[in-house]
Amino acid sequence: LAKTTQPISMDSYEGQEVNITCSHNNIATNDYITWYQQFPSQGPRFIIQGYKTKVTNEVASLFIPADRKSSTLSLPRVSLSDTAVYYCLVLPRDDKIIFGKGTRLHILP
Amino acid sequence: GAVVSQHPSWVICKSGTSVKIECRSLDFQATTMFWYRQFPKQSLMLMATSNEGSKATYEQGVEKDKFLINHASLTLSTLTVTSAHPEDSSFYICSAEKTVSSYNEQFFGPGTRLTVL
Repeated sequence: LAKTTQPISMDSYEGQEVNITCSHNNIATNDYITWYQQFPSQGPRFIIQGYKTKVTNEVASLFIPADRKSSTLSLPRVSLSDTAVYYCLVLPRDDKIIFGKGTRLHILP
Repeated sequence: GAVVSQHPSWVICKSGTSVKIECRSLDFQATTMFWYRQFPKQSLMLMATSNEGSKATYEQGVEKDKFLINHASLTLSTLTVTSAHPEDSSFYICSAEKTVSSYNEQFFGPGTRLTVL
């Protein structure tokens, strides 16, 4: 299982773009990069998944450089409701999910 | 869709009693479900993998006699915390695996808050 490192916490303001970077130096060839969001007292929710380059959906974008040793989750124009913990996961598809510490994102008015 | 429910959403019990938590996949069948535990301000910790029709696989350090898992149907897994103690108070979250576009994706339930007095 590839070890991931992400900031413990981040603060930002409403309307800003937030970028959360995750390091995963020992990512394996068959690993995918997946991000989950968790609100207090709720189960995690899938945000986005990618293998290389850039992936975008209605919620976020995921940027992955060519060496795949890091990735950046980008949340455009955040609102107060984006305050949550964001988990970066690096593992093969079909693998059981082991969560790291995550990044506690706090959006300020 | 892929909706996973848990029941109850919260439960308070006395020390020494047993508590059963249900995890259901509402609109798909799940051969495999997972159980996690989460303490305040901490990450989710995988407790066990629940396999329909066979014994659960427990992670290292998780007592299988303490946390009984039954996956008797393709839409239901149950976690029973036996002889609960205050240190078992936690947020218990399940997930169910669904095959999506030829690979398996996990969908999480809303969690169950257990408080042991």
